[in-house]
Amino acid sequence: GENVEQHPSTLSVQEGDSAVIKCTYSDSASNYFPWYKQELGKRPQLIIDIRSNVGEKKDQRIAVTLNKTAKHFSLHITETQPEDSAVYFCAASIGTANSKLTFGKGITLSVRP
Amino acid sequence: DGGITQSPKYLFRKEGQNVTLSCEQNLNHDAMYWYRQDPGQGLRLIYYSQIVNDFQKGDIAEGYSVSREKKESFPLTVTSAQKNPTAFYLCASRPGGTDTQYFGPGTRLTVL
Repeated sequence: GENVEQHPSTLSVQEGDSAVIKCTYSDSASNYFPWYKQELGKRPQLIIDIRSNVGEKKDQRIAVTLNKTAKHFSLHITETQPEDSAVYFCAASIGTANSKLTFGKGITLSVRP
Repeated sequence: DGGITQSPKYLFRKEGQNVTLSCEQNLNHDAMYWYRQDPGQGLRLIYYSQIVNDFQKGDIAEGYSVSREKKESFPLTVTSAQKNPTAFYLCASRPGGTDTQYFGPGTRLTVL
């Protein structure tokens, strides 16, 4: 089955700096890659997603890039703010035919004021 | 997200007891999912259902059971066979024809 890995498990940045979180996946058939943000004690919230027919997608301060050859995708957050502090999960699935997401273990992002 | 509800928010049970967690959605979503979250482990899939009266095991189904008698409801029973049930349980749903899953607020289960 699919295996999704996130490294490192924690990341600390200064407010205003950029943060990059990388995930790797194992199944070349995976074609849907969402990113979720989870604040302490809350539900995961989808912040951005990308499909395998697109190399990059942006939404204000957030962007996701996909490298299908290397089987990795990354979340980019620019001009980080303290409210960006949370756990970020990446996931992968083989589209709507399966729609079973496999999640990474998450990375804790801390933005220092 | 507001259309997916889970109850109760906190649940305590004694060892050896079965307990059922509720998940309801009024979004008319076709698919529903149950995940377990442990510290440092991410989200692991327990069971999922693509349509009413049908469901499939996920990666960690042992000790759990589900039913899908109605489109809007997908209850999860944690049985006494589950050796380490203390965790945060998340329900999710997905509209037909899309890949995006939306999560409920979760139930924190503690076995005393």
